[in-house]
Amino acid sequence: SQTIHQWPATLVQPVGSPLSLECTVEGTSNPNLYWYRQAAGRGLQLLFYSVGIGQISSEVPQNLSASRPQDRQFILSSKKLLLSDSGFYLCAWDRGQSEAFFGQGTRLTVV
Amino acid sequence: AQSVAQPEDQVNVAEGNPLTVKCTYSVSGNPYLFWYVQYPNRGLQFLLKYITGDNLVKGSYGFEAEFNKSQTSFHLKKPSALVSDSALYFCAVRARFSGGYNKLIFGAGTRLAVHP
Repeated sequence: SQTIHQWPATLVQPVGSPLSLECTVEGTSNPNLYWYRQAAGRGLQLLFYSVGIGQISSEVPQNLSASRPQDRQFILSSKKLLLSDSGFYLCAWDRGQSEAFFGQGTRLTVV
Repeated sequence: AQSVAQPEDQVNVAEGNPLTVKCTYSVSGNPYLFWYVQYPNRGLQFLLKYITGDNLVKGSYGFEAEFNKSQTSFHLKKPSALVSDSALYFCAVRARFSGGYNKLIFGAGTRLAVHP
């Protein structure tokens, strides 16, 4: 069966520090991968999606970047965090037209 | 524009009563529709989907949803609510964008509160 791992679960980082969140998927190949951010426990904002290795599409210009170095690995990064980067970050995967499956999320607090 | 709307920020229901969480959509072509539930500080869990076929789809935890093409709606329902159903519910639709990519578009979410 397929599983998705996302870590860390919580993270507190100072303003100006770098960020690296990792997401890996097991049990499938060539998934579509997504990074979402959720603010204040409400709507989801799509940040990045990837349909293959090295293929990244950015939805919203911002202080973040994403990379997909391997088929089932998706990394969200920042060189210098801002206070406004705080939020709940969710990784997800899907195949074609099917439903997406989500990781457990990372609560990022920038202080 | 392709979109999903959840018109209610919050729905309050007494335990044992039926519940409905509303969703309407706007997409070109045939819609692929989904419902997810989110508990505090957790990821989204898939509940059910409509791809084709019977307009009434059944999902996890006793939930069901009815696809209505003429009203472009996909409301989530449950005959008898439980306190444990209290959570944040998201409706989503697949939409095709330029470049051939299709992505999930989520509604803003509806908070369901079931009172004892």
